[in-house]
Amino acid sequence: EIVLTQSPATLSLSPGERATLSCRASQSVSSYLAWYQQKPGQAPRLLIYDASNRATGIPARFSGSGSGTDFTLTISSLEPEDFAVYYCQQRSNWPPAVTFGPGTKVDIK
Amino acid sequence: EVQLVESGGGLVQPGGSLRLSCAASGFTFSSYWMSWVRQAPGKGLEWVANIKQDGSEKYYVDSVKGRFTISRDNAKNSLYLQMNSLRAEDTAVYYCARLKITKYFDYWGQGTLVTVSS
Repeated sequence: EIVLTQSPATLSLSPGERATLSCRASQSVSSYLAWYQQKPGQAPRLLIYDASNRATGIPARFSGSGSGTDFTLTISSLEPEDFAVYYCQQRSNWPPAVTFGPGTKVDIK
Repeated sequence: EVQLVESGGGLVQPGGSLRLSCAASGFTFSSYWMSWVRQAPGKGLEWVANIKQDGSEKYYVDSVKGRFTISRDNAKNSLYLQMNSLRAEDTAVYYCARLKITKYFDYWGQGTLVTVSS
């Protein structure tokens, strides 16, 4: 089973700052990794898929990079609506399994 | 507009059963793999089950195998999750989600809360 680890658990930043979130896989997932954003009381929203492709309607300030075991989600300049929890997800061993990381909370400093 | 609307959640005693439904609209339901993903209170996301477009392939996380059954009715644009022998650790918000062709979850419902407690 592939295990995803996210760091840091919490990131405290101010609006306008740059956010860098990390996701590490216990073994290579190639580029089969996605990032989701979840706000309180809402369903997750797909941001990035296949490590670096923005999903439909996602602003350009969100970018993803990495391959193999190490991945990064970057938010170039935090907007007030970006404070949320971010999850990574891999699907390299599809079918059947997909697994999620434990999440990184980005909160207001 | 793609919409996924879950229903059927509620309070159930340990060992009991519940059937969740997900009504899909705004897309060709029969063309997509579909999934259930859950989130325990204050916790992260956990994939629960997947079903292929025609229902011929079904997959489950180990913790629910033999207790949960995923199914679909393409004529009714509906996805289901039959949950039996429920345990306290099954308490969660259950989301219905559509899988993109690239096998990521591109649309999610609003979720339905299942609480297993005596």
